Amino acid sequence: AQSVAQPEDQVKVAEGNPLTVKCTYSVSGNPYLFWYVQYPNRGLQFLLKYITGDNLVKGSYGFEAEFNKSQTSFHLKKPSALVSDSALYFCAVRDIKGLANYQLIWGAGTKVIIKP
Amino acid sequence: DTEVTQTPKHLVMGMTNKKSLKCEQHMGHRAMYWYKQKAKKPPELMFVYSYEKLSINESVPSRFSPECPNSSLLNLHLHALQPEDSALYLCASSQDGRWQYFGPGTRLTVT
Repeated sequence: AQSVAQPEDQVKVAEGNPLTVKCTYSVSGNPYLFWYVQYPNRGLQFLLKYITGDNLVKGSYGFEAEFNKSQTSFHLKKPSALVSDSALYFCAVRDIKGLANYQLIWGAGTKVIIKP
Repeated sequence: DTEVTQTPKHLVMGMTNKKSLKCEQHMGHRAMYWYKQKAKKPPELMFVYSYEKLSINESVPSRFSPECPNSSLLNLHLHALQPEDSALYLCASSQDGRWQYFGPGTRLTVT
């Protein structure tokens, strides 16, 4: 069965410090991996994806993620965090069920708190 | 236009009411989704429409009734809901399933 794990419920870092949000996955074939962010009382915003190609993926708002096949990880990173990055972050992997009906398998989410 | 819109933003309804949530996208996406999200939890898939046909129903109670009038619109009809149905309802769309664009959601409160 395909699954996604976000091992940390919460991550706290000081503003200006590097931010890492961890994600590991389990799939039977090649993974399609995604990061979404949810600000308080808002919908989900797409941050970045890994489909194929370079292992380092750059996304919105200065975020990037590194795909590591041997460690089955897709950690989200930002070199210098901002207070405005405080939000709930979800990692997801694609599950294939039929044509154009791809379902996403979601991690439990990681709450990120950036301290001023 | 890479936007999914949802109306209303907030909805309060009694357990005997009938209401509808609406979702619209103009990106030409062929798949549209309804999700339910409880606070601080990942979204739970409810329904998937592919080419305007219902393709996935994740054992959702019949008090939730989806409708896809055309390729740009998706409705969720609500009837006789329970307080535990209070949640954020998210709509999403996808062209080829590789990733989904989400709307801002409708915050539903059932009293």
